[in-house]
Amino acid sequence: GAVVSQHPSWVICKSGTSVKIECRSLDFQATTMFWYRQFPKQSLMLMATSNEGSKATYEQGVEKDKFLINHASLTLSTLTVTSAHPEDSSFYICSARVWSGGPSTDTQYFGPGTRLTVL
Amino acid sequence: GQQVMQIPQYQHVQEGEDFTTYCNSSTTLSNIQWYKQRPGGHPVFLIQLVKSGEVKKQKRLTFQFGEAKKNSSLHITATQTTDVGTYFCAGSYTGTASKLTFGTGTRLQVTL
Repeated sequence: GAVVSQHPSWVICKSGTSVKIECRSLDFQATTMFWYRQFPKQSLMLMATSNEGSKATYEQGVEKDKFLINHASLTLSTLTVTSAHPEDSSFYICSARVWSGGPSTDTQYFGPGTRLTVL
Repeated sequence: GQQVMQIPQYQHVQEGEDFTTYCNSSTTLSNIQWYKQRPGGHPVFLIQLVKSGEVKKQKRLTFQFGEAKKNSSLHITATQTTDVGTYFCAGSYTGTASKLTFGTGTRLQVTL
């Protein structure tokens, strides 16, 4: 159980175009999903928290108008990188929160990631 | 803001040797999680520690959470080539709605 998928797994696009990445929880519902970015040989950096039915919460330094997040259902969150530039090339990973109350049951399940290359 | 540091950044061991990575937070954690990421892959959840002083074992892996809930360690006994990857700790802080702050990671290389 607790499988998270991402689509596409990799994408190459031209500078200036927009790219949409989907994150789905396949066998559970997730009111909260998270979006991370990972540059080569670095750690994961949280970009934003996506809440079903409400606006996403962005971390400091992340441009909300550039990284559009939509969490329209309990199983799907999307991240759109608008007007992508080469510096946006990175590994984008989502996670879905599973929580049934109490700190010991609060877990995130990660998707396989999307590798974005902007030419 | 909260910072989570890990040492060492990189360790190269021969198969059969032990390995330990240490994780330190600048402030007290609510809980800490450990993940393993293989080259080219995504983080895979290993374990979560919640209680002060907690110790958990998974076969050759031993996880500890410090008494002050500001540090943690992962110890692998008798490493195997399948242990290769980067090990991340990730901390959650009270009042941050389960957001995870990932540590800097320790890359483990195991050779025969």
